[in-house]
Amino acid sequence: AQTVTQSQPEMSVQEAETVTLSCTYDTSENNYYLFWYKQPPSRQMILVIRQEAYKQQNATENRFSVNFQKAAKSFSLKISDSQLGDTAMYFCAFMKRGGTGTASKLTFGTGTRLQVTL
Amino acid sequence: DTGVSQDPRHKITKRGQNVTFRCDPISEHNRLYWYRQTLGQGPEFLTYFQNEAQLEKSRLLSDRFSAERPKGSFSTLEIQRTEQGDSAMYLCASRAGPQSGYTFGSGTRLTVV
Repeated sequence: AQTVTQSQPEMSVQEAETVTLSCTYDTSENNYYLFWYKQPPSRQMILVIRQEAYKQQNATENRFSVNFQKAAKSFSLKISDSQLGDTAMYFCAFMKRGGTGTASKLTFGTGTRLQVTL
Repeated sequence: DTGVSQDPRHKITKRGQNVTFRCDPISEHNRLYWYRQTLGQGPEFLTYFQNEAQLEKSRLLSDRFSAERPKGSFSTLEIQRTEQGDSAMYLCASRAGPQSGYTFGSGTRLTVV
């Protein structure tokens, strides 16, 4: 079974600053995906960024980037130039790479509540 | 297509009553998931459908819970004899295939009083 740990229940950052959210995970799998999801007060879970475990290069999406350390089982999210709209719960999630017929379900951490302030 | 729709958005029910939630996935997505999210926690997997077949169920899905996806389109999640511990957000998500991403709905918040 996989576990995902987010050790920062709450974080705060000023607008335009940079913040890093931490995530560690535990698995015996070798082929998997890691994700960061954003859940604003409107509740809909939105994909922020995705990393494939076999890729050594860290994923980036505009202001969002990750630091993926496979050996350390660490997957942190860096948000640059923070904006008020980034205020939300952020969840780290793990998914085993599977084929047709498998559920490929997500295992989530407990989340980090990020508040962006003026 | 407006994404994954869930109905109702909120449901308040008395303990012991039955409730049913509906999820309409993105039309071309053949994979559908239900997750449950309690306060302060991340979502937890409940069950998975590929087309109309329910292929996997979590141990969280007690015998009071049943899910269906007739004709591989919309899905329903029914909870019988609700208990206060069932109070949670119930999230539905769909995917087009094994390598595609999830699209989540906005969830149904259930409160059992």
